[in-house]
Amino acid sequence: GAGVSQTPSNKVTEKGKYVELRCDPISGHTALYWYRQSLGQGPEFLIYFQGTGAADDSGLPNDRFFAVRPEGSVSTLKIQRTERGDSAVYLCASSLLAGGITDTQYFGPGTRLTVL
Amino acid sequence: AQSVSQHNHHVILSEAASLELGCNYSYGGTVNLFWYVQYPGQHLQLLLKYFSGDPLVKGIKGFEAEFIKSKFSFNLRKPSVQWSDTAEYFCAVSPLYNQGGKLIFGQGTELSVKP
Repeated sequence: GAGVSQTPSNKVTEKGKYVELRCDPISGHTALYWYRQSLGQGPEFLIYFQGTGAADDSGLPNDRFFAVRPEGSVSTLKIQRTERGDSAVYLCASSLLAGGITDTQYFGPGTRLTVL
Repeated sequence: AQSVSQHNHHVILSEAASLELGCNYSYGGTVNLFWYVQYPGQHLQLLLKYFSGDPLVKGIKGFEAEFIKSKFSFNLRKPSVQWSDTAEYFCAVSPLYNQGGKLIFGQGTELSVKP
């Protein structure tokens, strides 16, 4: 597609449930990033993929959060045992050269997660 | 830890007024610098970026930013704002030691332009 797409656009779940959020990057982009944006804050880095592998997962808040990118394209962010504090907009971005010196990240529209 | 600070949380201007949004970062090494914009109901879009060379960078829609290394600043400017500039603006930094290119964002500045 022309840009980064994310599904669903909105997700409402109950505390303790499991959720999956999907990101489809720009075709040909090797790097994929997940960020989380809480109300009134800037996006906060979660994890970065170079191809199929997670090159930097230092931003994942705890072991309830996990992400995969099995074929080096689509990525899924998985959250187990959701908590109300997980409510936020989850953003995905992709870039062509994976942190190259002139690289630019292109963002998707985000998934708004609400945990009741 | 690296951080990015945006001076103003909410700025209100009238059309044709000049704009300057402040951004400071805390990191002693070489960085790439970005301004992203989020218009109402839309996703984050790149406004401009600085990698090296001329510290005065020009972006889309008449925006520019100046990198002042000694002040760790990358302020965004526009000589004359329009109602359509109403949006949230985010400054972001990517330290070059981090080959992954992850972005560290400021908390954002909401700009409201009155017609």
